Parts: sequence; structure tokens; C-alpha cells
Amino acid sequence: AQSVTQLDSQVPVFEEAPVELRCNYSSSVSVYLFWYVQYPNQGLQLLLKYLSGSTLVKGINGFEAEFNKSQTSFHLRKPSVHISDTAEYFCAVSAYHNTDKLIFGTGTRLQVFP
Amino acid sequence: EAGVTQFPSHSVIEKGQTVTLRCDPISGHDNLYWYRRVMGKEIKFLLHFVKESKQDESGMPNNRFLAERTGGTYSTLKVQPAELEDSGVYFCASSQGGFGQETQYFGPGTRLLVL
Repeated sequence: AQSVTQLDSQVPVFEEAPVELRCNYSSSVSVYLFWYVQYPNQGLQLLLKYLSGSTLVKGINGFEAEFNKSQTSFHLRKPSVHISDTAEYFCAVSAYHNTDKLIFGTGTRLQVFP
Repeated sequence: EAGVTQFPSHSVIEKGQTVTLRCDPISGHDNLYWYRRVMGKEIKFLLHFVKESKQDESGMPNNRFLAERTGGTYSTLKVQPAELEDSGVYFCASSQGGFGQETQYFGPGTRLLVL
């Protein structure tokens, strides 16, 4: 079985500051890793995903994440945030060639202040 | 290209009533998923269709929930009778392929409140 932990339920940050949203996972098998974002009153949108290869993954809107197998982490980063980045961010995993279902963390609300 | 659509966007019903949620996936997507988020908790998988067949229904909470996918197109999720703990946001997602690595495209969700 897999589980995902997002330790920070809320992250307040000022505009143009860097941000890191933390994600740790637990799994007995290899996994694919995903970050989704939900803007107010919208559905979830894929930011980026790690399937294999380079551990640094670049996504949309200037976000990137780094897969660290030894620490079972997949933290999301952005060097300079914008007001429009205010949203809820979800980390998720799915097991290799086993099932399609996504296992989500509880989400992190990013609040960007001017 | 239209995204995943869900209807209704909101539903308020009383305990014991029946509610049916509908999801229209992206055209051509064989895979359709239902998820649910109870307030403050994680988004949880309910079930997965491949075309009209249920591939995985391990997340369905109990037999008050019935999901169907007519002709492999749209899907409905019926809750009968609804209980207070069924309140939450129900998301539908679709993908072209499977095997866990495909991107799942999510709809905006249906917010269900059971009073």
C-alpha cells in the first residue's frame, strides 16, 4: 500500500519570495509521482509528474520538483511566487504497472501575499 | 477540446434522499475515475472504469454507492440513501491510457451536502 504525507497544511508567503511545498511518500513498490494544483472553483490541474529518468522535473508555471528516492520525497519548489499561485497543491503517487489509482496527500494551501 | 465536465456543481439533499452525479469525460478517453474529498481530508479514490467495465472498485465505501458507465461514455454515481458522512466533493477524472503513468484530467467536482 502507498501513503502520501504533506506536512504543511498552509504555507503563507510574500510575492516574489521562493517557496517549497513538502511531500513525502511511503510505498513497498516503485511509484510514479505527481503534483496537482487546484485554483479556487476549478478542478485539479497537473503541474508536473515524475515517471523515470532525471530526478529534477520541470512543470508548468515555473514550478519544479525533485525526486529523492533515499528520502522518499518529492518536494515542489518555485524560486519566485506570484499572487496568482495562490491555490491548493496536492502531491499524489500511483504504483508502477499495478493500478491506475492516485493516492493523494491532504493538500497544502499556498497563500501569496502582496 | 472540452475538458471533463460534471453535473451538478452543487447539491444539497436531506439524509435518506437519493442523489445522482454525472460525469462526462474527455472525448476518446477510455479510462474514467471517481474520487471523493471529505472536508479537510485527502482526496480518496472510489473506482475506475475502462470503457464500460469496472476495473477497480476497491474504494467504494459501501453498497449505497452505485456507479455506472453507459456505453463507455458518460458515468453516473448514485448515492442511495444518502447519509451525513457522504458530504464532500466528488471529482471525476479521465485519461487516455492506463498503467498509472498517464495524466488524469479532473473535472471541477460536485459539492454534495447531506443535511
